[in-house]
Amino acid sequence: QVQLQEWGPGLVKPSETLSLTCGVSGGSISSYYWTWIRQPPGRGLEYIGYTYYTGATNYSPSLRSRVTMSRDTSKNQISLKLRSVTAADTAVYYCAKANYCVGDSCDWFDTWGQGTLVTVSS
Amino acid sequence: DSQMTQSPSSLSASVGDRVTITCQASHDVSKFLNWYQQKPGKAPKLLIYDASNLETGVPSRFRGSGSGTDFIFTISSLQPEDFGTYYCQQYKNFTLFGPGTKVDVK
Repeated sequence: QVQLQEWGPGLVKPSETLSLTCGVSGGSISSYYWTWIRQPPGRGLEYIGYTYYTGATNYSPSLRSRVTMSRDTSKNQISLKLRSVTAADTAVYYCAKANYCVGDSCDWFDTWGQGTLVTVSS
Repeated sequence: DSQMTQSPSSLSASVGDRVTITCQASHDVSKFLNWYQQKPGKAPKLLIYDASNLETGVPSRFRGSGSGTDFIFTISSLQPEDFGTYYCQQYKNFTLFGPGTKVDVK
């Protein structure tokens, strides 16, 4: 059974780059689509984008100019970078597995990491 | 701009009650609509996919129906462990979550 675990700095300064990694265990990342979803404190869920093992990526239009996702098949990990962060980027960041993604759409997220809180503050 | 709405935004119900949550899409999403449960401090959990399909291991008291723009999520007999926030999510043209419905158990 696939399990996901996110990690990275819990505090990032405004204008800097948020960097997170998600480790995949119990399965290979060379299957499925690997996504990032975030949730500001006390608020709802926001889809950020996906990466596929081929290196293909797609990002939400609202974050497209600041986001980069990548994968490391040798380490079975995916990563997220979000540039020029502001307080509005403070959120719990989840990685999640989707069965299929195309364009701006991923079907459903059946496996999630536990999430990691990133606070943007000086 | 496309959006999802859920109602009610919150509800309180007793154990054994039937609970109904609605999700409305601003455009036709066919059957491409999923439901999640999230408990405080935890990641969301997939309950229903493609409007009416129960995810493996999810109790049968959870049910989803609908297509197009209007969807219904039902808990047939509310249990104490069913507290949390429920989100719908569409994926017809892009991935978008509803604002959530918080369910408290009296």
